[in-house]
Amino acid sequence: DAGVIQSPRHEVTEMGQEVTLRCKPISGHNSLFWYRQTMMRGLELLIYFNNNVPIDDSGMPEDRFSAKMPNASFSTLKIQPSEPRDSAVYFCASSSTGFGANVLTFGAGSRLTVL
Amino acid sequence: EDQVTQSPEALRLQEGESSSLNCSYTVSGLRGLFWYRQDPGKGPEFLFTLYSAGEEKEKERLKATLTKKESFLHITAPKPEDSATYLCAVQGVTGGGNKLTFGTGTQLKVEL
Repeated sequence: DAGVIQSPRHEVTEMGQEVTLRCKPISGHNSLFWYRQTMMRGLELLIYFNNNVPIDDSGMPEDRFSAKMPNASFSTLKIQPSEPRDSAVYFCASSSTGFGANVLTFGAGSRLTVL
Repeated sequence: EDQVTQSPEALRLQEGESSSLNCSYTVSGLRGLFWYRQDPGKGPEFLFTLYSAGEEKEKERLKATLTKKESFLHITAPKPEDSATYLCAVQGVTGGGNKLTFGTGTQLKVEL
């Protein structure tokens, strides 16, 4: 299994530009999560999906952020327009749902720098 | 709202010098408490899940324990390759789904 695959690994863009981050979850996992990691705030949950349906987007900072999951094998996180304070590492994670606690498997992350 | 606090923020040990990392948590119904390891430039890597107070789990030089309010990650005779950031997270029964609430981590450096 290739694990959770994220692209791009690094993105440098200028303020005001649109940024799209992509994620392919582990096959068979039906939950997908987008987290943002910064030195100051650590890992913060932005949004998560169960069976391709957004369940909780309360962590999405503002309307500039949007996420979609058109099918079970693909998700995008879009920032439009981007701002310097959006600079962070964005992680995608996936898990299966079932009785009891379920382990999240993380991708390698997408490091975003907004100039 | 679930909350996780980790201490210390950073820890420097000599090789072979055992120590413990602390994770204090509040959650409305614990489904599981997780420990992850994160190396620079990589995503968090799963180590352990603890489900109930009194439970312990071990993996090589690491042992995780759980009480009703906190968890400890004990590191016995650490080696330089144990250097990483260790993250604690909780998964609660409320709110639906499997989301994890993370602490800000303990950055461990083990020196020769």
